Amino acid sequence: GQQLNQSPQSMFIQEGEDVSMNCTSSSIFNTWLWYKQDPGEGPVLLIALYKAGELTSNGRLTAQFGITRKDSFLNISASIPSDVGIYFCAGQPTGKLIFGQGTTLQVKP
Amino acid sequence: DARVTQTPRHKVTEMGQEVTMRCQPILGHNTVFWYRQTMMQGLELLAYFRNRAPLDDSGMPKDRFSAEMPDATLATLKIQPSEPRDSAVYFCASGWSYEQYFGPGTRLTVT
Repeated sequence: GQQLNQSPQSMFIQEGEDVSMNCTSSSIFNTWLWYKQDPGEGPVLLIALYKAGELTSNGRLTAQFGITRKDSFLNISASIPSDVGIYFCAGQPTGKLIFGQGTTLQVKP
Repeated sequence: DARVTQTPRHKVTEMGQEVTMRCQPILGHNTVFWYRQTMMQGLELLAYFRNRAPLDDSGMPKDRFSAEMPDATLATLKIQPSEPRDSAVYFCASGWSYEQYFGPGTRLTVT
């Protein structure tokens, strides 16, 4: 079946640093979504992307839909301690979402 | 602030018992999803509904799992009989188009 490769699996960074993570797929996706999950909670939608090449920001977060439609990246600028969590990409070829395995982010104050 | 609600938040049960999880989707959303999350498998789609009609339940073990939407405000996921390997966090999500909004999950432990 279709799979997403999300990298890196985990990151440990210093507060104030910028963060970049990405997802790649073997097939074309029509939609890319980025979620963040805090411990004990459900994933929260951060950014949704619908067009190839689209670049969308949400505060310190910026995500892009790759022009090949097979990848997407998420950047977090000037990280803060509350950015800690697991970030998931999700892609939609048709109908249902497929989720990446997640990137665990830890921020050292 | 509209949210997906799920009950119970935690459930501990013995193997062989029936488990029912409930979800109230966000009012106005026409699509409801059930996911299971484990460390090993990540987020797996079990089933989803559009306008209360089941569209895909291929991710669900049919012999023991069942999902229904008796009305637009309630979705249920039932496991009968439960097994230890069913231990996981079960999420409900609802949406209108491609964006899905998740509930807080039900953490199920089967002993």
